[in-house]
Amino acid sequence: GAVVSQHPSWVICKSGTSVKIECRSLDFQATTMFWYRQFPKQSLMLMATSNEGSKATYEQGVEKDKFLINHASLTLSTLTVTSAHPEDSSFYICSAMRVAADNEQFFGPGTRLTVL
Amino acid sequence: QKEVEQNSGPLSVPEGAIASLNCTYSDRGSQSFFWYRQYSGKSPELIMFIYSNGDKEDGRFTAQLNKASQYVSLLIRDSQPSDSATYLCAVNNDYKLSFGAGTTVTVRA
Repeated sequence: GAVVSQHPSWVICKSGTSVKIECRSLDFQATTMFWYRQFPKQSLMLMATSNEGSKATYEQGVEKDKFLINHASLTLSTLTVTSAHPEDSSFYICSAMRVAADNEQFFGPGTRLTVL
Repeated sequence: QKEVEQNSGPLSVPEGAIASLNCTYSDRGSQSFFWYRQYSGKSPELIMFIYSNGDKEDGRFTAQLNKASQYVSLLIRDSQPSDSATYLCAVNNDYKLSFGAGTTVTVRA
């Protein structure tokens, strides 16, 4: 159990376009999901915390108007990279927190975004 | 000062040896601690977590926590080539995970 999926697994787009990434918890409900970004040879950096039914909380330095997050249901959160530029090329990973004694986060497989 | 620091490595060990990974954290209020393994191009997968001071063993892995020293470690016994990966230490504060930069481990056959 505790499977998290992401779609698409990879995407290539032209500069200036918008890209939507979906994160789904397949077999549990997740009131909280997290979005991370990882550049090559670097660690995961938390971008934002997504709570079902409310606005996302963004980490310092992350532009909320550029990275739109919607958590419309207990199993789905989406991240939209608006007007993507080459510097947005990265590995985007979501995680979903299962509400339990340990509040463990389960990670999706990640989405590789390449902006040309 | 970084919140979570790890030896960057790379750490090279022969097959069958013990790999020892270290992690320190700055926030004394941190509640729980996680070790993840990440293969190249993949997302992290949880190895184990620890909350209390002392040792916690799970198969070939042992996590050690010393809150007074703000130190977490991971031992990998009987290292296998399949253990070659980057190991990430993560610290939980108010449900948010802060990750270290990771230690790359290479197990030589």
